[in-house]
Amino acid sequence: KAGVTQTPRYLIKTRGQQVTLSCSPISGHRSVSWYQQTPGQGLQFLFEYFSETQRNKGNFPGRFSGRQFSNSRSEMNVSTLELGDSALYLCASSLEIEGLLYFGPGTRLLVL
Amino acid sequence: AQRVTQPEKLLSVFKGAPVELKCNYSYSGSPELFWYVQYSRQRLQLLLRHISRESIKGFTADLNKGETSFHLKKPFAQEEDSAMYYCAPDYGNNRLAFGKGNQVVVIP
Repeated sequence: KAGVTQTPRYLIKTRGQQVTLSCSPISGHRSVSWYQQTPGQGLQFLFEYFSETQRNKGNFPGRFSGRQFSNSRSEMNVSTLELGDSALYLCASSLEIEGLLYFGPGTRLLVL
Repeated sequence: AQRVTQPEKLLSVFKGAPVELKCNYSYSGSPELFWYVQYSRQRLQLLLRHISRESIKGFTADLNKGETSFHLKKPFAQEEDSAMYYCAPDYGNNRLAFGKGNQVVVIP
């Protein structure tokens, strides 16, 4: 089975812009989670989707949003980018409702 | 807010020596507990989960509900164990609260 894929792998944006990141889960996985990883804060939960419904959201501002499509693919969007949004964004998919996560390689976002 | 504490940021051990990574989590219900690992230039991946009670790559983890701890242990470290280790309780719906991680370096 192909693993979780994320596109793009690298992205450079400037402050004020918006960005959309994409995640394709492992075939058959219906849960997709997003995490932000930074050196200072570590891995922080953004949100989780299951069958197109957001079931859980972390403590991030409303500039961070996401969605999931009927084929389980997911996107996350960050509007009005700030320098502090520079991070590695990880997507993970899961087969079970509360099970183990399979992580993608991440999208590295740099905001200038 | 859920908090996960992994006190030692960097742990250097000699090959063949025991290694123990400590993890304490804040209590909020009965989270399922995981250890994830990231080897150099690889993806973050599951090492073990409490519910399966398995030993993976020689690692075991002991849950102490009274102390809300889930420490990871291996009696004899190998060079291939050099990696970043994260303790992660799942507070429901795949909402994992990751600790800051432990960088383990095994010295040959």
